[in-house]
Amino acid sequence: QVQLQQSGPGLVKPSQTLSLTCAISGDSVSSNSVAWHWIRQSPSRGLEWLGRTYYRSEWFNDYGLSVKSRITINPDTSENQFSLRLKSVTPEDTAVYYCASGGVGTNFFHYWGQGTLVTVSS
Amino acid sequence: EIVLTQSPATLSLSPGERATLSCRASQSVSSSLAWYQQKFGQAPRLLIYDASNRATGIPARFSGSGSGTDFTLTISSLEPEDFALYYCQQRSNWPLTFGGGTKVEIK
Repeated sequence: QVQLQQSGPGLVKPSQTLSLTCAISGDSVSSNSVAWHWIRQSPSRGLEWLGRTYYRSEWFNDYGLSVKSRITINPDTSENQFSLRLKSVTPEDTAVYYCASGGVGTNFFHYWGQGTLVTVSS
Repeated sequence: EIVLTQSPATLSLSPGERATLSCRASQSVSSSLAWYQQKFGQAPRLLIYDASNRATGIPARFSGSGSGTDFTLTISSLEPEDFALYYCQQRSNWPLTFGGGTKVEIK
């Protein structure tokens, strides 16, 4: 059974960088069959897929268009986790952020983290 | 971007009744559609994938159907724990997108 445990601050100032980490148990971030995603949810935008990272002999990333210029998702093989960095945040980035995983080929989300409410405010 | 439109926004039913939820895609997604259940304060939970396949551990009262642009999630007989929000999600085209949700509430 895969478990995803999120960590990171719940308050970020405007123009700064949002950083969250998702620790994985029950699987490997380097698995050849799994992709690791970040998704957010807000009343105004609903559920929004942000991006993913996955390993196929090398690392690949895909990002959503709305955040593509500001987002980085990185794997950390030494800690078996992956991270989200979203730079230059505004109050519109206030949301509950989730990490999730699923098959690389399926892109459905079988496992989810517990969610982190991130508020962007000074 | 594929837009998923869910209807109705709210469904008011009693325990034991049948629930029928709809998800319509702005263009064909073949069978590349999933359904999720979300309860207050929790992450979504995968119920159905590839339009009609139940995820591990999902009770048989949940079923999915459809292909192309029109999909349905059916809960055959509502249990008290089924009153929640439900979302559809497509994986046919990038970016991955979700519908706006249907709330199933107790009548």
